[in-house]
Amino acid sequence: AQSVTQLGSHVSVSEGALVLLRCNYSSSVPPYLFWYVQYPNQGLQLLLKYTSAATLVKGINGFEAEFKKSETSFHLTKPSAHMSDAAEYFCAVSLGDDMRFGAGTRLTVKP
Amino acid sequence: SQTIHQWPATLVQPVGSPLSLECTVEGTSNPNLYWYRQAAGRGLQLLFYSVGIGQISSEVPQNLSASRPQDRQFILSSKKLLLSDSGFYLCAWSEINRGITSGANVLTFGAGSRLTVL
Repeated sequence: AQSVTQLGSHVSVSEGALVLLRCNYSSSVPPYLFWYVQYPNQGLQLLLKYTSAATLVKGINGFEAEFKKSETSFHLTKPSAHMSDAAEYFCAVSLGDDMRFGAGTRLTVKP
Repeated sequence: SQTIHQWPATLVQPVGSPLSLECTVEGTSNPNLYWYRQAAGRGLQLLFYSVGIGQISSEVPQNLSASRPQDRQFILSSKKLLLSDSGFYLCAWSEINRGITSGANVLTFGAGSRLTVL
């Protein structure tokens, strides 16, 4: 069965610094991969998704992620963090009708 | 446009009491429907998903059940709540998908239901 592992349950960066949130996947066949963001006491919103069209995927709010098959990774990056980026981020993988999420990474942005 | 409604938003229940969380989707037909649970520090756990009326796949448990009595209605239930059932429950839907792109569809989430079992 497919799964994802997010490295680091908490990441703290300064405003304006690079954001890097790590995600590795496990799948027997090329998967579809997603990043979602969750603000406090809300549901999840899609940031971006990888569906094999291009390995570098651009999402909303300046985020992007790169699919690297050799490393089985799908890390999320943003060149310059903003205070409004503080939230919890989830990586997810899907092959069929179900979607599996990682444990989440809480991003804190310091002024 | 499609919308998803989930209620109640907040619920405090004693141990051993029943549970019913309801989720409805508007503006689409024959969606895939999902229930996830988010417990503190444990990420999102897929509980149930449904690809059609009366079709429920169970991933986890135990003292929870799900039903889909209508095309766009998904209900999460329990006959007797446990302390460990506390958490944030999220309903979601996606377009039904078949063929080579199965799995590529995005989930759209409801606002969540926070359950505290005392």
